[in-house]
Amino acid sequence: GAGVSQSPSNKVTEKGKDVELRCDPISGHTALYWYRQSLGQGLEFLIYFQGNSAPDKSGLPSDRFSAERTGGSVSTLTIQRTQQEDSAVYLCASSLSLAGGRGTDTQYFGPGTRLTVL
Amino acid sequence: GNSVTQMEGPVTLSEEAFLTINCTYTATGYPSLFWYVQYPGEGLQLLLKATKADDKGSNKGFEATYRKETTSFHLEKGSVQVSDSAVYFCALSGDNYGQNFVFGPGTRLSVLP
Repeated sequence: GAGVSQSPSNKVTEKGKDVELRCDPISGHTALYWYRQSLGQGLEFLIYFQGNSAPDKSGLPSDRFSAERTGGSVSTLTIQRTQQEDSAVYLCASSLSLAGGRGTDTQYFGPGTRLTVL
Repeated sequence: GNSVTQMEGPVTLSEEAFLTINCTYTATGYPSLFWYVQYPGEGLQLLLKATKADDKGSNKGFEATYRKETTSFHLEKGSVQVSDSAVYFCALSGDNYGQNFVFGPGTRLSVLP
C-alpha cells in the first residue's frame, strides 16, 4: 500500500512479557519516528531514525524500550518486561528529508498499535 | 531546544462559531510549521502546513499563517461544523538535519449542534 502500515493493530499481553511492534514506512522515506499516545493524552516522542545516521533515542522512557530499523526501511519497537503503564497506542510516522539538511517534511502516520498490558 | 505551546482545551463551540486555536513556538532558524488533526477513533493526519514566514496554509476551511515576528501559527476557521470535532496538534520541524518533530500537547475541540 501507499501509506504507513503497522502491525499488529491490537496487542494484549501480560505484565512481564516482551512485545514487538512493527512499522512499514512509506517507500523512499528516509526518516522514521515512533511516538506513544496514552489515553486522552498528546504525543510522546520515543525515537527517530534518519537514513544511516545513529538514531535519536532521547525519548525512550527506559532501557526496557529499544528499536531498530533494518535496511533503512522496516522498524521494530521492542518493549521488554512490559508494565501496565506501557499501555498506550504506539504510533509510527515516516517522512522525506528536505534538501540541504533542512530537517524533514510532513510526517505521515500509521494507524497505530494499541497495546494493553494486563 | 525547539518547543511548541498551544492553548489548553477542551474548547467547546456551537456550530457556525468562529474558531481560533493559538499556537506559539520556540525554534532556532526557520522551522516548518504544521497542524495535524485526529478525529475520534482515527489516526493523525496532516491538516495544513507552512514552510516559510508569511506563508498561509489552508485546508477544509481552516487557515494558519506563519508569523515569524510573533513566533505563532494560530489555527482559524470562520464557521465550524460538528464534523470538526477532533483533537488538533500544532507541530514544527526544525531546520537542522536530524532535528525531530516537536508536537504541542493537542487541543480538543467539541462542536455542538
